[in-house]
Amino acid sequence: AQKVTQAQTEISVVEKEDVTLDCVYETRDTTYYLFWYKQPPSGELVFLIRRNSFDEQNEISGRYSWNFQKSTSSFNFTITASQVVDSAVYFCALSLVNTGNQFYFGTGTSLTVIP
Amino acid sequence: EAGVTQSPTHLIKTRGQQATLRCSPISGHTSVYWYQQALGLGLQFLLWYDEGEERNRGNFPPRFSGRQFPNYSSELNVNALELEDSALYLCASSLVTRYSGNTIYFGEGSWLTVV
Repeated sequence: AQKVTQAQTEISVVEKEDVTLDCVYETRDTTYYLFWYKQPPSGELVFLIRRNSFDEQNEISGRYSWNFQKSTSSFNFTITASQVVDSAVYFCALSLVNTGNQFYFGTGTSLTVIP
Repeated sequence: EAGVTQSPTHLIKTRGQQATLRCSPISGHTSVYWYQQALGLGLQFLLWYDEGEERNRGNFPPRFSGRQFPNYSSELNVNALELEDSALYLCASSLVTRYSGNTIYFGEGSWLTVV
């Protein structure tokens, strides 16, 4: 069975602090894709990043970075020097090749950045 | 290029009535996904349509139904509304699903309130 776990339900940090959002996934498939989405208070989920299971290189985009480790089935997301605009719910998701494009979402982590 | 568009933005219905929500995918996308997000809960997968056919269905009662039209737009119908159907309904679209791992892009959602 496929599963995505985001154990952190809510996180609060003070502005300019770094914060890491954890994502652990379960699958027996060897080919899969991992995603992160941001859901601000307005409601729309915004796509942040997509990685495939064969690419374990970490990625950095501005203040955002992602650490993909197949050995621990984790795909963690770090925000450096957090800002108030980063306050949102963040979802991690898994898509398996053999299910077409079926997505499995985690339960989300609500991040509050305090000014 | 226009993103995923949903209508109406807000909808208020009485218990027992029917609600119809509409979604237009990004141009060129043939797959449409529907998710329910009740207050304080994560994303619950409802339905997935691809090229006019239902590909998968989440664990929801039959009164949740939908369809996809030849132009790939989609409709979600909820019959015999219950108070617990009050939620944000999110539509997402992606490219052809035979190339699995495609990113799904979300609309801004439709807020359904059942009173």
